[in-house]
Amino acid sequence: RKEVEQDPGPFNVPEGATVAFNCTYSNSASQSFFWYRQDCRKEPKLLMSVYSSGNEDGRFTAQLNRASQYISLLIRDSKLSDSATYLCVVISFGNEKLTFGTGTRLTIIP
Amino acid sequence: GAVVSQHPSWVICKSGTSVKIECRSLDFQATTMFWYRQFPKQSLMLMATSNEGSKATYEQGVEKDKFLINHASLTLSTLTVTSAHPEDSSFYICSAQGHRGNEQFFGPGTRLTVL
Repeated sequence: RKEVEQDPGPFNVPEGATVAFNCTYSNSASQSFFWYRQDCRKEPKLLMSVYSSGNEDGRFTAQLNRASQYISLLIRDSKLSDSATYLCVVISFGNEKLTFGTGTRLTIIP
Repeated sequence: GAVVSQHPSWVICKSGTSVKIECRSLDFQATTMFWYRQFPKQSLMLMATSNEGSKATYEQGVEKDKFLINHASLTLSTLTVTSAHPEDSSFYICSAQGHRGNEQFFGPGTRLTVL
C-alpha cells in the first residue's frame, strides 16, 4: 500500500463550482500535512498546511481526520486559475522528509 | 524571500554523458537540501537528502555512484547524473530547508532528456 494515496482524477469541474478531494495516508505516526499545487512542468508550491482543527484560506478549506487517516481539500467558487495538480504531502514523526501523493489533476472548465 | 534556483532548467544529452544540475538558495542559508525526481504523471520521489559538509543520505533504490550529490556550501548543492541513459530522463527538482521550521522551498526543476 502506498504511504500517501490520492485519486489521480482528472476532475473536470465547471467554473464557479465547489470541488473536494481526499488523500489517505497509511502511517499513523504522520504528524504534518500539507497541500501543494503543481502546475504543468513546474515545481510544486505550498498551498496550505493542514491542522488538526482544520484551516481555511479564502476559497480553500483543508481538514484532517486522524482517526480515519485522511486529509481533504475543498475549493469553493472555483476559478480557471485553479486548474492544476494538487499534491497531498505528509511528514512522519521524527522525520523531515516530505512524502508526496501522486496528485489529483483538476481542470476548471469555462 | 526563500528563493531557490536551479540550473540548467532543461538539458538534452547523449547516452553515456554526465550531467550536472545546480541548486542554489538565493536569499537564505540552506542547512539541508533535498533532491527529487518526478516521472510523467507520477509523484515526486525523494532521491537523497544532503546536509552541508557531509555525505548525502540516499533513499532505498537510488544508486549513490550514479547520482553524485555534493553540498559544498550553505547555498549550493549539485546533483551529477553520471553515464546518463534514456531511463534517467525525468524532471529533477531540488528543495532547500533553512534554519527556521521544516518548510522546504522548491527550485523550478530541471528537465533532463537523454537521447
